[in-house]
Amino acid sequence: AQSVAQPEDQVNVAEGNPLTVKCTYSVSGNPYLFWYVQYPNRGLQFLLKYITGDNLVKGSYGFEAEFNKSQTSFHLKKPSALVSDSALYFCAVRDKNAGNMLTFGGGTRLMVKP
Amino acid sequence: DAGVTQSPTHLIKTRGQQVTLRCSPISGHKSVSWYQQVLGQGPQFIFQYYEKEERGRGNFPDRFSARQFPNYSSELNVNALLLGDSALYLCASLRGGQGTDTQYFGPGTRLTVL
Repeated sequence: AQSVAQPEDQVNVAEGNPLTVKCTYSVSGNPYLFWYVQYPNRGLQFLLKYITGDNLVKGSYGFEAEFNKSQTSFHLKKPSALVSDSALYFCAVRDKNAGNMLTFGGGTRLMVKP
Repeated sequence: DAGVTQSPTHLIKTRGQQVTLRCSPISGHKSVSWYQQVLGQGPQFIFQYYEKEERGRGNFPDRFSARQFPNYSSELNVNALLLGDSALYLCASLRGGQGTDTQYFGPGTRLTVL
């Protein structure tokens, strides 16, 4: 069975500093990996995905993520955090052999302080 | 173009009642997935439909059912509601049946069971 772990419930960072939100995964084959962001009382907004190719994926709002097959990780990064980036971030994995089902991590709350 | 729409926005029901939630995918998208997000957790997969056929089912009881209509909109039905069914129900729209397709989420329906 596929699974996703987000080891940090909350990440605190000062505005202007780089941020990293961690994600590790487990699947039986090659993974499709996704990052979503959720603002209060809202649905999920797509940030970026890794399907194949370059291990560094660039997405929306200046976010990027690095796929590391040997460490089974897909960490979300941004060079300079904004207060408006404060939200709940979810990593998700799709097993190629499990239809279109996404398995989500438990989420990481990002707090960016001025 | 309009995004994914869901109705109603909020719903309050009592135990034992039945509820129907509705979703309209992005124009041109033929697949819909449903997820349940309990407060403080990541979304959990319930169903996926593609071209009006069920393509996947998560680990949910038979009280949960869904269907997709010829216009690709979808309904999620939950019978004999339990307190534990209180959650945000998210609908995701996909262009087709490809695993590489991004799932775009609607704003969700907040269901409260009293």
